Amino acid sequence: GQQVMQIPQYQHVQEGEDFTTYCNSSTTLSNIQWYKQRPGGHPVFLIQLVKSGEVKKQKRLTFQFGEAKKNSSLHITATQTTDVGTYFCAGRTLGSNDYKLSFGAGTTVTVRA
Amino acid sequence: NAGVTQTPKFRILKIGQSMTLQCTQDMNHNYMYWYRQDPGMGLKLIYYSVGAGITDKGEVPNGYNVSRSTTEDFPLRLELAAPSQTSVYFCASSSQGGNSPLHFGNGTRLTVT
Repeated sequence: GQQVMQIPQYQHVQEGEDFTTYCNSSTTLSNIQWYKQRPGGHPVFLIQLVKSGEVKKQKRLTFQFGEAKKNSSLHITATQTTDVGTYFCAGRTLGSNDYKLSFGAGTTVTVRA
Repeated sequence: NAGVTQTPKFRILKIGQSMTLQCTQDMNHNYMYWYRQDPGMGLKLIYYSVGAGITDKGEVPNGYNVSRSTTEDFPLRLELAAPSQTSVYFCASSSQGGNSPLHFGNGTRLTVT
């Protein structure tokens, strides 16, 4: 079955620095979504990418979908304490039924002030 | 618009007890999901539903049952609680299955001792 892997599992960042987290799928994806979960909270939708090579920005967050639609990345610039949390990617296999998203294990981000 | 509402927020069960986790949404979404999240792990799909009267198993359905008698409600039943079911349970809904954002409830933290 489909597997979605995220690296790194943990990211410790100095406030103000940039970092990138990666999402890799064992299958070609029709779309990929990113979610953020604050400590003790629930996942909250951030963005969806659909097109090969697509890049979308949300303020300091840049999301990219790979050309082969098997990987994605989230880049955060000038990290702030508000960026603390776990970031999940979730993808749907191309050609699969439209109800299932497979989630990665997440990248947990901590920020040193 | 309350979104997705889960009750209870916390519950402690003894081994062998039963309980129902409630989930209701007011967005008229056809697709609803139950996920469990173990500490430091991603989200594992337990059961899902594509509409009233239709349910199907996800990745980890053993020990659980669901029903979907209305569009709004999607309760999750644990019949004989086991320590392995200690987890945080999230209910989610979406308008277009894996093609649209999942809206998550606040979660139910369950401990089985």
